Parts: sequence; structure tokens; C-alpha cells
Amino acid sequence: GAVVSQHPSWVICKSGTSVKIECRSLDFQATTMFWYRQFPKQSLMLMATSNEGSKATYEQGVEKDKFLINHASLTLSTLTVTSAHPEDSSFYICSVRQPSGSSETQYFGPGTRLLVL
Amino acid sequence: AQSVTQLDSHVSVSEGTPVLLRCNYSSSYSPSLFWYVQHPNKGLQLLLKYTSAATLVKGINGFEAEFKKSETSFHLTKPSAHMSDAAEYFCVVSDTGGFKTIFGAGTRLCVKA
Repeated sequence: GAVVSQHPSWVICKSGTSVKIECRSLDFQATTMFWYRQFPKQSLMLMATSNEGSKATYEQGVEKDKFLINHASLTLSTLTVTSAHPEDSSFYICSVRQPSGSSETQYFGPGTRLLVL
Repeated sequence: AQSVTQLDSHVSVSEGTPVLLRCNYSSSYSPSLFWYVQHPNKGLQLLLKYTSAATLVKGINGFEAEFKKSETSFHLTKPSAHMSDAAEYFCVVSDTGGFKTIFGAGTRLCVKA
């Protein structure tokens, strides 16, 4: 399956600063990438769908001006948490969807843990 | 509409005993079904997937799952648990085009020595 990396793996920042998280598809050109957020002991919640060369599609309740997504190439999508606050502390995971026969399978990055102080 | 229910939030087994993690789904379409495993502070790793081929699906690390349309279930099993199996497991349903993916709430598997 597709290999997905994320950088950084963890980050600690002060409240009010912005944090950029990179998601790279290492062996697959992904026109679409997905960004998820996972709070402790909870399931993954889809935040947005990142589309190469066009605007991201955000899920209901996710502020597009706070979570800026840039999908500048077929192998890189970035998520920038602007003016981060403690409530933004979470585990952020990206994924790519790769065709597999008649269906598609999602492959996930290792995640980025964000702690906002 | 699609939904997925993992019937147990927490399962505890002894090492060497069978594992059963239950998942029920609902879907208006022929779904694709997946099981992923997540170890602490890690991303999700694909265990296995069902995509309308054989109903008994074998995955990695000795796991398998059986798609039962009549019961709308896709339970995950393993004959003998290993300590390294302790993790969070997610059942996922997706429409055939992969445009909509729904995650279960997760089941935490604990394996006792």
C-alpha cells in the first residue's frame, strides 16, 4: 500500500502561534489527501479533504480560516493551525486513498501530536 | 446512509486465547469494509479489507474477518492473542467509490499475560 509520512511527529507551541504540519505521499501521487483529528480515546474525525490544485473541502464545523490546507503538489499537503489555542491540542493524522481493484483503500500517516500551551 | 457500530469499547483477553472484536454496519450501497489497528501515538495500519470478493478475509498478523450480509456484521477474529496485539482497533465502512468513509468508535484490546 501507499506509504505516507508526516512531519513533525510532535510539536509543542505557545498559544497564539501557528503550526504547520506536512503530509507526504512517498510512493503514490495523490490528487486527494484527507486530514483527520483524533482526541484522546476517541475515534478519528474527518476535518477536510485536500484537493491538489484546488481548494480544500471542509467538514461541517471545521473553520477553514483556522485550519489552512494547501495541496500544492501530488505528493504534499500541508495543514496549518493558525493562532493555535489549547483546545486545538490533538493528534492530527493525514491519509491518502489509493485505488485497489474495484475499490479504494486509505493509507494513513503516523500522525502529528500537537500540544498547545 | 452509512454507519458503523463497534459493539465493545474495550475487550480484554489472556495471551494465547481467541480474540473477537465485533462490528456491525449499515449501508445503502455495497460497502467496502476495513479493519485498522492503531498502536499508542501511531497512525492507523490496515489489517484487512473486504471489497465484495471472498466473504472471509485474511489479514496481517493472523487476523481475519468474515463479512455476513444477513447479519450486517464484519467481526474481527484471531485464534490466539499475542501481547503485541494490544492496541486500538477501528472498523471502517466506505462506499464503493470511497467518497464517504465512516469510522467506528474503536475497540481497545488489552492482552493479559
